[in-house]
Amino acid sequence: EVQLMQSGAEVKKPGDSLKISCKGSGYTFTSNWLTWVRQLPGKGLEWMGKIDPSDSYTDYSPSFEGHVTISVDKSISTAYLQLSSLKESDTAMYFCVRHFGEYSSSSGDLWGQGTLVIVSS
Amino acid sequence: IQMTQSPSALSASVGDTVTIACRASENIINWLAWYQQKPGKAPKLLIFDASNLMSGVPSRFSGSGSGTDFTLTITSLQPDDFATYYCQFYSAYLWAFGQGTKVEIK
Repeated sequence: EVQLMQSGAEVKKPGDSLKISCKGSGYTFTSNWLTWVRQLPGKGLEWMGKIDPSDSYTDYSPSFEGHVTISVDKSISTAYLQLSSLKESDTAMYFCVRHFGEYSSSSGDLWGQGTLVIVSS
Repeated sequence: IQMTQSPSALSASVGDTVTIACRASENIINWLAWYQQKPGKAPKLLIFDASNLMSGVPSRFSGSGSGTDFTLTITSLQPDDFATYYCQFYSAYLWAFGQGTKVEIK
């Protein structure tokens, strides 16, 4: 089965760091870009950044650059989203998304199930 | 690029035809997708390149438009279609989503 499987929910304290994983299976992991999307509680979708798993080239949204790091370990078909200096406003659902086809200029045809991150003192 | 959807929410009955609009702040050619999201679930890609239906998506969903103005139409609304719908611009440089349209049962 073609899928993206994300790591489980996390509860963190302000100031902590966090690394979420997203493991691809059922397809050639290095053939498609991967993007991370944030969804604040009850709100819409925000693009955070993307990575080319074949060479680890990354591109970040200006809204998130400097606060997040996207990486990949292609040997285990897994992408990561690292969040640093967490604030309560980082409480959200985070999704990894596979790009449709081999180009970065495409929509997202396969979504992970989401990882809920709660930041609370 | 800003994506603006209208309306933000609508109420409809099973069997109705529903139209959701999406406007881009500049010409995006046809680089537009539509997603459906149900509570607690990940979004699902319905339409890409403004009017191309994803495999497995019912034909009652259709997309149209180009340039700055786009439309998602759902004909003969089914109970499974009550959800929130998002438009999305995509390019080599960024993704930008509309704010969403919630389709509720009347």
